[in-house]
Amino acid sequence: EVQLVESGGGLVKPGGSLRLSCTASGFTFSGYSMNWVRQAPGKGLEWVSFISSSNSYIYYADSVKGRFTISRDNAKNSLYLQMNSLRAEDTAVYYCAREFSSGSSKRFDPWGQGTLVTVSS
Amino acid sequence: DIQMTQSPSSLSASVGDRVTITCRASQSISSYLNWYQQKAGKAPKLLIYAASSLQSGVPSRFSGSGPGTDFTLTISSLQPEDFATYYCQQSYSTPWTFGQGTKVEIK
Repeated sequence: EVQLVESGGGLVKPGGSLRLSCTASGFTFSGYSMNWVRQAPGKGLEWVSFISSSNSYIYYADSVKGRFTISRDNAKNSLYLQMNSLRAEDTAVYYCAREFSSGSSKRFDPWGQGTLVTVSS
Repeated sequence: DIQMTQSPSSLSASVGDRVTITCRASQSISSYLNWYQQKAGKAPKLLIYAASSLQSGVPSRFSGSGPGTDFTLTISSLQPEDFATYYCQQSYSTPWTFGQGTKVEIK
C-alpha cells in the first residue's frame, strides 16, 4: 500500500523552529517529486514547497521563502521540512504529498494524514 | 501566480441531486487542472486529474470538464458520502495554486 506518514508537529513559540518529517512506503520514493501543502484551521489548501526526485529542483511559496527548507533522504525514504522563524500565520496542518506525473499531467496523490503545527506564545 | 477561483463557496443539496462546481483560472492552463475531495478531519483525496480523467477507484458519478480557463466538476447523483469540501488545483506552473474550496452540505 502506498503510504505517507508525517511527524514532528507540535506547539512552538513565535520565532522558533521545527522540523517535520514524512516517511514513505509502498513505492519507490526516489522516483518521485514530493511536496508540502498546508491548511490553516478552517481555511483552504496552500502549497508550501516542492522538491524533485533527485534534489535538482526546489521551489517555495513566497510566504515561506527564506524561512523554510525542504530536503529529502532517498536512502531513508524520507522527506523533511525545516521551519525556522515561525510565525502565528504558519499555524496549520502540514501534509506531504507525492507528485504523480503521467504525460504532462502532475497531481498530488497520495497525501499523508497531516501533522499539526501550532505557533503560539 | 495563477489565481484559481471556485464558485460557489458552498452549496446545499439533497441526495440524488446533480451538483456542478466551477473553477476559473486567471489565465489559460490548458488541461492542467486537478480536483480533490476533503472530508472533515481527513487529508484531501484526488478525484479528477488533467481536467477530465477519473482517478482509479473514484465512482463514475464524478466527472470533470475543461480545458482553458473555465473548468467544472460534476457529481451526477449526489450520495451521502459525497458531502465534503472540493478543491481545484492548477499544475500548469509553480507556485501550484488551489481554489478556495466549495463545501457541499446536506439540504
